[in-house]
Amino acid sequence: GAGVSQSPSNKVTEKGKDVELRCDPISGHTALYWYRQSLGQGLEFLIYFQGNSAPDKSGLPSDRFSAERTGGSVSTLTIQRTQQEDSAVYLCASSLGPGTGESSGNTIYFGEGSWLTVV
Amino acid sequence: AQSVAQPEDQVNVAEGNPLTVKCTYSVSGNPYLFWYVQYPNRGLQFLLKYITGDNLVKGSYGFEAEFNKSQTSFHLKKPSALVSDSALYFCAVRDGRGFKTIFGAGTRLFVKA
Repeated sequence: GAGVSQSPSNKVTEKGKDVELRCDPISGHTALYWYRQSLGQGLEFLIYFQGNSAPDKSGLPSDRFSAERTGGSVSTLTIQRTQQEDSAVYLCASSLGPGTGESSGNTIYFGEGSWLTVV
Repeated sequence: AQSVAQPEDQVNVAEGNPLTVKCTYSVSGNPYLFWYVQYPNRGLQFLLKYITGDNLVKGSYGFEAEFNKSQTSFHLKKPSALVSDSALYFCAVRDGRGFKTIFGAGTRLFVKA
């Protein structure tokens, strides 16, 4: 697609339920990122995928959070047993991979985000 | 580990005046530096980046940023602010050897007419 697509755009869930957030990156982008933005806060790095390499999961806040990327394209961020503090905007982004040139590589393009509210 | 600091939570400037939004960074290798802007209820939009070359980088909407290696800074500037520039601005850094990109806490810019 033309841009990074995220779904759902809004999700209200009850505490304790599991949620799945989906990200469809820009076609041809091999790097994919997930960030979390709490109300009025900065961006918290969660995880990134680059091609077939093992993902960098260093930002995942707890073992309730997991993400996968199937076929090197679409990614799903799963939050199990949601808590109220999980309420935030979850932003997905993608970029071209290495070896693509300094002029066009490395810029991260963001989706509009998935707004999660845990009640 | 890489890190980014945006020392000001908020910057206030009058329309027509120059603006500066500060950013300092820490990274092991050569830095890739970025500025993004976020308007209310929207995702982040790319403004400009420094990869290599000229220290002064020009970007979208008349913004520019100057890479200063000795001061490890990458301040965002605009010669004449517009009310429509009011938004949340994020600085980001990536170690040139990898892909992990860390964002600062953001600086809210208010431009008063």
